[in-house]
Amino acid sequence: QVQVVQSGAEVKKPGASVRVSCKASGYTFNGYYIHWVRQAPGQGLEWMGWINPNSGDSHLEQKFQVRVTMTRDTSMSTAYMELNRLTSDDTAVYYCARLHVIASTGVFDYWGQGTLVTVSS
Amino acid sequence: DIQMTQSPSSLSASVGDRVTITCRASQSISNYLNWYQQKPGKAPKVLIYAASSLHSGVPLRFSGTGSGTDFTLTISSLQPEDFATYYCQQGYSAPITFGQGTRLEIK
Repeated sequence: QVQVVQSGAEVKKPGASVRVSCKASGYTFNGYYIHWVRQAPGQGLEWMGWINPNSGDSHLEQKFQVRVTMTRDTSMSTAYMELNRLTSDDTAVYYCARLHVIASTGVFDYWGQGTLVTVSS
Repeated sequence: DIQMTQSPSSLSASVGDRVTITCRASQSISNYLNWYQQKPGKAPKVLIYAASSLHSGVPLRFSGTGSGTDFTLTISSLQPEDFATYYCQQGYSAPITFGQGTRLEIK
């Protein structure tokens, strides 16, 4: 069965970096883009970008282009999202999600459990 | 960017009620509209994709309609497990955007 498992919660100081991992199993890792979405406490969902596990190409939402890097390790079926120069505004739960194209529509059909990143001095 | 606006932002209803949530896009998105349910402390789960297609395993009491800019999610008879927050999401063009959410509470 398909599973997407993320790394555990992190506490970071302002200015630091964090890397969140997203390990997929139960399907062909290279066959589906992985997207990252974050959710600040009590807030809605904010899309960050995607990575193509097959090519390694990524596309980031404009506000994240300077501070975010998305990578993958195909041998481990794992995607990574690194966020640099953290501020308190980056305190959020970070989700990875598999994009499945059904009837020409992309839908996030499997999500990781979320990783809470807390930025605090 | 395409803005997605949901209404209402919150809603109180009783078990057995019929509930409708609306999502409006700032420009036409054809039928590239998905609906998700999120419970506290959990990841979102897809309910409806392509505006009106029921995702595998989702109960038949959930349905979606719409095309262009106006979409609705309907729950025909609320069950206790349906009290959650619901989000619409457009996949028509990047950046992918979500509605602000509709919190469905027990009356």
